[in-house]
Amino acid sequence: DAGVIQSPRHEVTEMGQEVTLRCKPISGHDYLFWYRQTMMRGLELLIYFNNNVPIDDSGMPEDRFSAKMPNASFSTLKIQPSEPRDSAVYFCASSSRGYNEQFFGPGTRLTVL
Amino acid sequence: QQQVKQSPQSLIVQKGGIPIINCAYENTAFDYFPWYQQFPGKGPALLIAIRPDVSEKKEGRFTISFNKSAKQFSLHIMDSQPGDSATYFCAANQAGTALIFGKGTTLSVSS
Repeated sequence: DAGVIQSPRHEVTEMGQEVTLRCKPISGHDYLFWYRQTMMRGLELLIYFNNNVPIDDSGMPEDRFSAKMPNASFSTLKIQPSEPRDSAVYFCASSSRGYNEQFFGPGTRLTVL
Repeated sequence: QQQVKQSPQSLIVQKGGIPIINCAYENTAFDYFPWYQQFPGKGPALLIAIRPDVSEKKEGRFTISFNKSAKQFSLHIMDSQPGDSATYFCAANQAGTALIFGKGTTLSVSS
C-alpha cells in the first residue's frame, strides 16, 4: 500500500487567498483525521471522520476552516481566507481502529505570507 | 487533566547510549499509551504502544515502561544509533476519544 497520500507537499500563499489541502487515506481505513503541527502548540487534532461523516470538529480553529470527505478515498481541508497565523504543517492520518494505530501522511507545509 | 506532559524537550546521547523519554498524565481513565517517531519532513509513525495492564513492553530496541500508580510512562531506546535521531511523541487516550499528544522530544544520537 502507498500509505496516506497528501498534496501538495508545500504551499506558499498570500494572506486572504483560499487554500485547499488534499488527502487520500489508506484503502480500507474508515477513520480519517486532520492535524495541525506547530512549534508552539504541537500536534492538534482539527477534525475527524468516520465512514466519511464528520464526527468531531471541535478542534477546527474558526469558521475559516472547513473539511469535507466526499468519498472513502478523498478528503479536503480548506482555509478561506488564509492568514499568516495559519502557517503550519498539516497532517492527514487514517486508521482502521478508531483513534488508535493512526497512520500519518507526509504532511503539507503551509506558509501564508 | 487532559494534558500529557513530556520531558525532556531535547536529548543528546552518544551512539550505544540509552536515551530515556518520560511522559506524565493525570486522567486515570486513559487506557492506551502510544509512542510516535517523526523524522524531519515526515509524518509521525507509530513506534510502540502499551496498555495499563502491563508494566513493560519491548519491541526490538524500544521499550515502554509503565507506572500506573505514578501515572507515568517512559520510552527507552537500547543501543541507540544515529538513525534513531528523530522527534519522539508520547500520547494517551481512553477508548473512543482523541489521542492527546505530548509536545515532543528531539533526540540526537551522535556517532
